[in-house]
Amino acid sequence: NAGVMQNPRHLVRRRGQEARLRCSPMKGHSHVYWYRQLPEEGLKFMVYLQKENIIDESGMPKERFSAEFPKEGPSILRIQQVVRGDSAAYFCASSPEQGGYGYTFGSGTRLTVV
Amino acid sequence: DAKTTQPTSMDCAEGRAANLPCNHSTISGNEYVYWYRQIHSQGPQYIIHGLKNNETNEMASLIITEDRKSSTLILPHATLRDTAVYYCIVVTTDSWGKLQFGAGTQVVVTP
Repeated sequence: NAGVMQNPRHLVRRRGQEARLRCSPMKGHSHVYWYRQLPEEGLKFMVYLQKENIIDESGMPKERFSAEFPKEGPSILRIQQVVRGDSAAYFCASSPEQGGYGYTFGSGTRLTVV
Repeated sequence: DAKTTQPTSMDCAEGRAANLPCNHSTISGNEYVYWYRQIHSQGPQYIIHGLKNNETNEMASLIITEDRKSSTLILPHATLRDTAVYYCIVVTTDSWGKLQFGAGTQVVVTP
């Protein structure tokens, strides 16, 4: 049973480009969560999604960032017009339901904006 | 959600038990204590969680004080692969999806 799959593992973008980060949850998991870890900082919650619904986006920056989890396919975190401050590790987690026995995290996508 | 306080760092000898304290003095009745760890550059890994009773699984034991204001994560036989940042997180049933990671405790297991 594959874990949470994130791709790409590493992504380099020039300032002003778009970054698209993908997250495939574990089989049977319908809840997806995105977190960001800036260099030398802790993990910060960004957004919580269920299939086709955004449940909590209180941690998302107001501009340039969006997330979706369509009925079919992976969850996508999209960052438009990236800036150097967006350079970070982005982690996705999934769970079969709310709470319970913790969330399973992916290995993350390291975004570098040059 | 209640805040947690953890020591910044601690060392542990390989093969010995590692006891990681966490203070959550403002925890409320519907809040759980979760522990995660993050090995360098990897995604966080769930370890264990509890509400009131002590818990044990294949990775660790969780001891929660009777007043629930503090807890201790115990790694019974630390190995070099247990070197990681350990996070104690209080989670309310109203916000399962939003884990508030603090700075955690950097645990270094030495040979």
